[in-house]
Amino acid sequence: GQSLEQPSEVTAVEGAIVQINCTYQTSGFYGLSWYQQHDGGAPTFLSYNALDGLEETGRFSSFLSRSDSYGYLLLQELQMKDSASYFCAVRAWDDAGNMLTFGGGTRLMVKP
Amino acid sequence: EAGVAQSPRYKIIEKRQSVAFWCNPISGHATLYWYQQILGQGPKLLIQFQNNGVVDDSQLPKDRFSAERLKGVDSTLKIQPAKLEDSAVYLCASSPTSGANVLTFGAGSRLTVL
Repeated sequence: GQSLEQPSEVTAVEGAIVQINCTYQTSGFYGLSWYQQHDGGAPTFLSYNALDGLEETGRFSSFLSRSDSYGYLLLQELQMKDSASYFCAVRAWDDAGNMLTFGGGTRLMVKP
Repeated sequence: EAGVAQSPRYKIIEKRQSVAFWCNPISGHATLYWYQQILGQGPKLLIQFQNNGVVDDSQLPKDRFSAERLKGVDSTLKIQPAKLEDSAVYLCASSPTSGANVLTFGAGSRLTVL
C-alpha cells in the first residue's frame, strides 16, 4: 500500500511564501498530485508532477524528488483566499491497479 | 462543462438506518470514484468504477456498504445499516480514464449518523 505524510497545520501571513512538504512510501510510483479544499467545498486539482523538478503555475509551484520520495507545494504572495486544506496524493500501481491515494492534508491559515 | 453532481448535500439519520447517495459524473468520464472523508482527514477511496465495472473496492466495508454504476454513467452508494463511525462527507469524483492525473470532485454529501 501507500502512505503519505504532511504537516497537519501551517500558518503564514498575507503576502508571504509558504512551503507544504509531503513525503511518501509506495511502490509502483507514477506521480504526485496536489489538491486544494476550502471548508465545505470540493477538492480541486492544483498540480501534478511525474518527473523530478519544479512545475510552476502562477503563484503555485510544485516540486518532486523521486529519489527522496518527497515533494512540496510552494505558495507565493499568499492571499487570504488561500486559507484552505492542501492534500498531496500519490498516483501508484498496486494489486488493484492504478490508484490515487491522498495524504491527511495540511490546513493552511493565512493571517492579515 | 457541467461538474460532478451529487445529492443529497446533507443527510441526518439514526444508527442502523439506511441511506443512499447519488452521483452524476462529468459527461464522457469513464472512471468514477467514491471517497469517504472524515472530518480533519484526507479522502479515502471506497470504490472505483471503470465504466460499469469495479476496478477496486478493497476498502469498501462490504457488510454494510454497496455501490453500483449500472449503465456506466450515474452511480449510487448505499449504507445499510449505518454506524456512528460512518459520519463523514462522501465525495464522488470522475476522470476521463483510470490513469488520469486530474480528478474532478463533486461538492460531496455530508452524512451525520446519530
